[in-house]
Amino acid sequence: DTGVSQDPRHKITKRGQNVTFRCDPISEHNRLYWYRQTLGQGPEFLTYFQNEAQLEKSRLLSDRFSAERPKGSFSTLEIQRTEQGDSAMYLCASSLPAQGEQYFGPGTRLTVT
Amino acid sequence: AQSVSQHNHHVILSEAASLELGCNYSYGGTVNLFWYVQYPGQHLQLLLKYFSGDPLVKGIKGFEAEFIKSKFSFNLRKPSVQWSDTAEYFCAVSTYFGNEKLTFGTGTRLTIIP
Repeated sequence: DTGVSQDPRHKITKRGQNVTFRCDPISEHNRLYWYRQTLGQGPEFLTYFQNEAQLEKSRLLSDRFSAERPKGSFSTLEIQRTEQGDSAMYLCASSLPAQGEQYFGPGTRLTVT
Repeated sequence: AQSVSQHNHHVILSEAASLELGCNYSYGGTVNLFWYVQYPGQHLQLLLKYFSGDPLVKGIKGFEAEFIKSKFSFNLRKPSVQWSDTAEYFCAVSTYFGNEKLTFGTGTRLTIIP
């Protein structure tokens, strides 16, 4: 399967713990996006990379959130000191520049207890 | 900033009925428009997209959408739905400034009764 992959698919953690998610984009795609989706809502943009450069961060992304894409391939999203409000589906998508069309992964569902 | 409204939260139809899902966006400039679909247990997939040209665009599985600029709308249509169309449908918009981040609507849950 050459689509976008995300790991883990599910994560349950206790409040205050740190968690890290991984996204592997489609291999030739140099743009990578992170979104968050809560129940009953559409995905909300968090941040995006072009190659290894993080070019934009949403105001939704508090200081507890950090994302990296060190070699311009896979990306990680870390949440420090998790809160119950962080419970959501975290989606990754990738695309080619100016293509507009984004390909989404299956998401990582985070539950903070 | 742009925003997207989907007024139908849950639509229930019988098989073979015609479908129209509403989508309105708010943005004064040039936009790209998308419909994504999420089947139960699956990830978001692109149904169709509009960038420019013919405002009536056709997508996969017999879906089409019409961009009406004067109404800021991009409604999704299908003349005859099937049970397999049961899914959640999201309208999305991006503005081209070299970053095509998507702004999504809240989604419409479509249930098709056999």
